[in-house]
Amino acid sequence: EVQLVESGGKLVRPGGSLRLSCVVSGFTVSDNYMSWVRQAPGKGPEWIAVAYTGGNTHHANSVHGRFTISRDTSRNTVYLQMNSLRDEDTAVYYCARGGGNIYFDSWGRGTLVTVSS
Amino acid sequence: QSVLTQPPSVSGAPGQRVTISCEGSTSNIGAGYDVHWYYQLPGTAPTLLIFANNNRPSGVPDRFSAFKSDTSASLVITGLQAEDEADYYCQSYDRGLGGVFGSGTKVTVL
Repeated sequence: EVQLVESGGKLVRPGGSLRLSCVVSGFTVSDNYMSWVRQAPGKGPEWIAVAYTGGNTHHANSVHGRFTISRDTSRNTVYLQMNSLRDEDTAVYYCARGGGNIYFDSWGRGTLVTVSS
Repeated sequence: QSVLTQPPSVSGAPGQRVTISCEGSTSNIGAGYDVHWYYQLPGTAPTLLIFANNNRPSGVPDRFSAFKSDTSASLVITGLQAEDEADYYCQSYDRGLGGVFGSGTKVTVL
């Protein structure tokens, strides 16, 4: 059974840092495109980062230079390092299989990040 | 401001047909990139409904269909049912931006 389980979300002050984790079971993260997608309260989903199978990564303009996606193949886990957090980064962060021109066919339940002073 | 534009809401009576449009541009849908559709219930993650323009994952009823033309795409629900009440999003790829989602459409069953 495919499962993606996110963790690490919490309340953090503006300018702070946070690392989100996504533990995957049922498939191998290194064999798939893996993405982080966020959804601010009352808004639609926003793709923010993808790790391609070849090792390359791509980040959305809104987080470029502040967030970094990575993966640990030994743990079959995907991470999102978030630095210089802003109020507008408040959202539920989902880990999903897919990215680029590939659809997102499996999603985690999400983890809430709240940026507020 | 979403790159892909959808109507904020559509509604219909049970059994009716409703259509949700997704307007893009020559940088995304018009560039030949696939369009995918998701539905989302409150408090849950989006769920894949249609992939690669007009393909249904296993388990998705055949009352859901979609098509793509030029710089736009549409999702059609034929024979609307109460359980179809949800938010619907289109998604594609943009040459300059990466993955992009539509602004979302709330479907209400009257």
